[in-house]
Amino acid sequence: ETGVTQSPTHLIKTRGQQVTLRCSSQSGHNTVSWYQQALGQGPQFIFQYYREEENGRGNFPPRFSGLQFPNYSSELNVNALELDDSALYLCASSAGGGYTFGSGTRLTVV
Amino acid sequence: KQEVTQIPAALSVPEGENLVLNCSFTDSAIYNLQWFRQDPGKGLTSLLLIQSSQREQTSGRLNASLDKSSGRSTLYIAASQPGDSATYLCAVRDDYKLSFGAGTTVTVRA
Repeated sequence: ETGVTQSPTHLIKTRGQQVTLRCSSQSGHNTVSWYQQALGQGPQFIFQYYREEENGRGNFPPRFSGLQFPNYSSELNVNALELDDSALYLCASSAGGGYTFGSGTRLTVV
Repeated sequence: KQEVTQIPAALSVPEGENLVLNCSFTDSAIYNLQWFRQDPGKGLTSLLLIQSSQREQTSGRLNASLDKSSGRSTLYIAASQPGDSATYLCAVRDDYKLSFGAGTTVTVRA
């Protein structure tokens, strides 16, 4: 399997709800990262997992959490959604060199 | 904290003209620099990856240079085409994350 696949492509949630976004990383890539991209801005680093352990985190609150599984899939969970969480969420995988990104999940919080 | 700046923020050129996109970063302690293309509402497509020990990379009509000591990279796109219209993002990699600029939005007029 090649490439990075994200699901769903779009979703709408209500403020205060919880959401889970999914990513299937490129085979052989043991590092997965998640980024948040607000409209008109560059992506911002949320966190990174290496071999199922979080090994780096950006300036995001604990209500943003994640998991990485042995089959190269991962999840981003966001609790207590806020309006400002509306953004494009991007998953990226790496085998140590450059990063390969998925097409993203567009989250709208209303 | 790494700061990445891209100038100009937007660029409009007639078809056939060469494009020059600039990226600057504040901390020269990077592993590599990667240029991405992003179409509206879509994910990131990797264009070129330059390792910190390299000075440039080329792929087809694209050429990217890196001057790590001065914290600068330039992406050149030769003989632009309408299909090159997109937002171009540069990202520098440190220990565990990518730091992105806000991007340069390019419009190539037919």
